[in-house]
Amino acid sequence: AQKITQTQPGMFVQEKEAVTLDCTYDTSDPSYGLFWYKQPSSGEMIFLIYQGSYDQQNATEGRYSLNFQKARKSANLVISASQLGDSAMYFCAMREATTGNQFYFGTGTSLTVIP
Amino acid sequence: ETGVTQTPRHLVMGMTNKKSLKCEQHLGHNAMYWYKQSAKKPLELMFVYNFKEQTENNSVPSRFSPECPNSSHLFLHLHTLQPEDSALYLCASSQELAGGPKKETQYFGPGTRLLVL
Repeated sequence: AQKITQTQPGMFVQEKEAVTLDCTYDTSDPSYGLFWYKQPSSGEMIFLIYQGSYDQQNATEGRYSLNFQKARKSANLVISASQLGDSAMYFCAMREATTGNQFYFGTGTSLTVIP
Repeated sequence: ETGVTQTPRHLVMGMTNKKSLKCEQHLGHNAMYWYKQSAKKPLELMFVYNFKEQTENNSVPSRFSPECPNSSHLFLHLHTLQPEDSALYLCASSQELAGGPKKETQYFGPGTRLLVL
């Protein structure tokens, strides 16, 4: 079974609007972390935001926030006030306490911001 | 130089060639990773090194051979590759702490785009 599922291959958003990128995960480990990365066309993966399984509050980093719904095993990324520079691939990832250095990535969502 | 660097950025090779990819991290991290990224597939973890010791080898074919001479450098030696090995190869590093929840993120290099003819 896939550990990370991103069901939106491509998304479009109007500049200055908010957009939600979906991510669901599968784990039986009570201790895990969820990550979102951005990959522009240049190729480099850029870390955006982290959410721990025991964190009580949803993570926020500037215009990025994570809508963490533990019971539903979802960790959606919300980007507010979209900018043209937000156009990129976005990857959700997870690591579990029991599997050490193993990072599990989704297939990604391609976001295009329309002026 | 800062962060994680990778050379070369682009590589075209024939199936009989031998080449090496190089990764260097300037972050003082203790773990380094090789990933393969193919179109429309999740990132595939290939190898992990902690303190220069290989801790993960995710059933990678022997035509890919990693080398980690120290905690700052990581190589991927390539020989007799196949066209399906064409992909973006990403290197990453992280500072792993013993115990506790795994919350350390990875920092990625820009990748090497490999084309095997």
